[in-house]
Amino acid sequence: NAGVTQTPKFRILKIGQSMTLQCTQDMNHNYMYWYRQDPGMGLKLIYYSVGAGITDKGEVPNGYNVSRSTTEDFPLRLELAAPSQTSVYFCASRDRVETQYFGPGTRLLVL
Amino acid sequence: LAKTTQPISMDSYEGQEVNITCSHNNIATNDYITWYQQFPSQGPRFIIQGYKTKVTNEVASLFIPADRKSSTLSLPRVSLSDTAVYYCLVGGDNTNAGKSTFGDGTTLTVKP
Repeated sequence: NAGVTQTPKFRILKIGQSMTLQCTQDMNHNYMYWYRQDPGMGLKLIYYSVGAGITDKGEVPNGYNVSRSTTEDFPLRLELAAPSQTSVYFCASRDRVETQYFGPGTRLLVL
Repeated sequence: LAKTTQPISMDSYEGQEVNITCSHNNIATNDYITWYQQFPSQGPRFIIQGYKTKVTNEVASLFIPADRKSSTLSLPRVSLSDTAVYYCLVGGDNTNAGKSTFGDGTTLTVKP
């Protein structure tokens, strides 16, 4: 199993540009999450999904959108990138109670 | 969601036992306690999970008192490679879709 994979690993965006962060898991988990982590801080939940076709907002959803058309994929869309969205983005999936498996992260720099 | 409180940082030396305590006063009946470890530039990694009393695996032990309002992660004989940020999470089953508040964690620095 590859686990949770994320692409790209690193990206530089200009203010106002858009992009999609990809996340794929091969563990057949229903629950998937997107977090952002600013330097020296903990993880903040952006969006989550409890299954294909079902998504909901987390703590910091503004400026982001998600979709979940399949169990495996949970892409995160950034529209009109802003410097405040400079961060490291982690995708995770979950099996049983509170055991989340994280991807390697995407480092995003908005200039 | 249950809020957790952990020390911001801790220092230790190689070979010592390290205990990190997490407070979670408003833990719910169906909540589990889970600890994650995060190295720089990596995603968090599951360490251990428990509901009550004591849980032990190959890397750590988790002590949970009867009232479950706190928990202690114990790392035996730490090495330099245990330097990382440790997060305590409290969450239940599917009642809140597994949403968790990570907080800022405890930065453990192991010195030679």
